[in-house]
Amino acid sequence: SQQGEEDPQALSIQEGENATMNCSYKTSINNLQWYRQNSGRGLVHLILIRSNEREKHSGRLRVTLDTSKKSSSLLITASRAADTASYFCATDSGSARQLTFGSGTQLTVLP
Amino acid sequence: GAVVSQHPSRVICKSGTSVKIECRSLDFQATTMFWYRQFPKQSLMLMATSNEGSKATYEQGVEKDKFLINHASLTLSTLTVTSAHPEDSSFYICSARDKAVQFFGPGTRLTVL
Repeated sequence: SQQGEEDPQALSIQEGENATMNCSYKTSINNLQWYRQNSGRGLVHLILIRSNEREKHSGRLRVTLDTSKKSSSLLITASRAADTASYFCATDSGSARQLTFGSGTQLTVLP
Repeated sequence: GAVVSQHPSRVICKSGTSVKIECRSLDFQATTMFWYRQFPKQSLMLMATSNEGSKATYEQGVEKDKFLINHASLTLSTLTVTSAHPEDSSFYICSARDKAVQFFGPGTRLTVL
């Protein structure tokens, strides 16, 4: 079963605005990763944040991790229409190092 | 990043036939690969962990005789959906680990008529 919950389930914004997605999980983790999926396609790895890190940046992406609250957020700044996709958080917490995915956020950026 | 390929990208078959899906890591070796299933507008559900040279580990509720997994080399894992039925229609995605990151294949859309 899915470990994580994401909110919002769907988010619609105007181009140029910032988009924030949140992820909560239930167990302790080794790291948390964010992925992007365009409709009908595979997943693209965006960023990985380790359990001992609190914030990480990559281009227009900013990820935070609060292990005390078991939550993470993904911020996309200055959004573009091409950012329209589903975004998933995934936690790496077991010895098998498998990922457990959140429910996903469908982001729509309107031109 | 590392590249994972899947073949075929799309397959349509009749009920009762078996379908094989291949997952390859193109520029790295993967002792462990993962198979996921995704229904429309839903998240990925892990089906099984494929281990090179040994038996796959299946998640609860996934029939190992229905979904046969073979991981014969460090760059190839196959998923065979045996005696497929319409309820097996779904999007199947594989992934392989390269260090801490899992890289995903482009997915296979299976439609069983």
